[in-house]
Amino acid sequence: EAQVTQNPRYLITVTGKKLTVTCSQNMNHEYMSWYRQDPGLGLRQIYYSMNVEVTDKGDVPEGYKVSRKEKRNFPLILESPSPNQTSLYFCASSTAGASYEQYFGPGTRLTVT
Amino acid sequence: AQSVTQPDIHITVSEGASLELRCNYSYGATPYLFWYVQSPGQGLQLLLKYFSGDTLVQGIKGFEAEFKRSQSSFNLRKPSVHWSDAAEYFCAVGYNTDKLIFGTGTRLQVFP
Repeated sequence: EAQVTQNPRYLITVTGKKLTVTCSQNMNHEYMSWYRQDPGLGLRQIYYSMNVEVTDKGDVPEGYKVSRKEKRNFPLILESPSPNQTSLYFCASSTAGASYEQYFGPGTRLTVT
Repeated sequence: AQSVTQPDIHITVSEGASLELRCNYSYGATPYLFWYVQSPGQGLQLLLKYFSGDTLVQGIKGFEAEFKRSQSSFNLRKPSVHWSDAAEYFCAVGYNTDKLIFGTGTRLQVFP
């Protein structure tokens, strides 16, 4: 089954404790992206990747890092999480870019206390 | 700067009634336009998209949307709403190949 998986689905952590949210897709998509969803703000793009070893900042990259060492994986790293990073995070992938249909993962709800 | 506006935060309709969700964008050229739906606790699913050609596009679940260049709009419509359509709907605009800008969403509530 074609899908985007994220782990963990729920995470509660404390300020400053490094964490990684994994994202994996099995569709051989070149493009992958991370979004955060906050009430009243919709989805905002954090980082995206056009291909392996090619990443770039989205609209809200501060406090986040990403890597794309393999085509299928695109982890999101929070080196020192803060409470303002409490949010619902979505990973997405598409064939060749944001202008193609994106397939979304189920989301990761992160709470930073 | 490019932007997407969904002016209605929350809409309530009765089951069987028609529906129109509004979306306006600001962008110089004709963008790629999308509507996504998010059911409670779920990720987003593509309803329909417009790239070029016929300005009236058909999507899944009986939805359609019309691109109006003169109004910079891409409104989503459904002639008869079902209770299962209750969800949050996001309009999104793509430009170049890198970024997708989402609107803030419209939450649809359906009463029996």
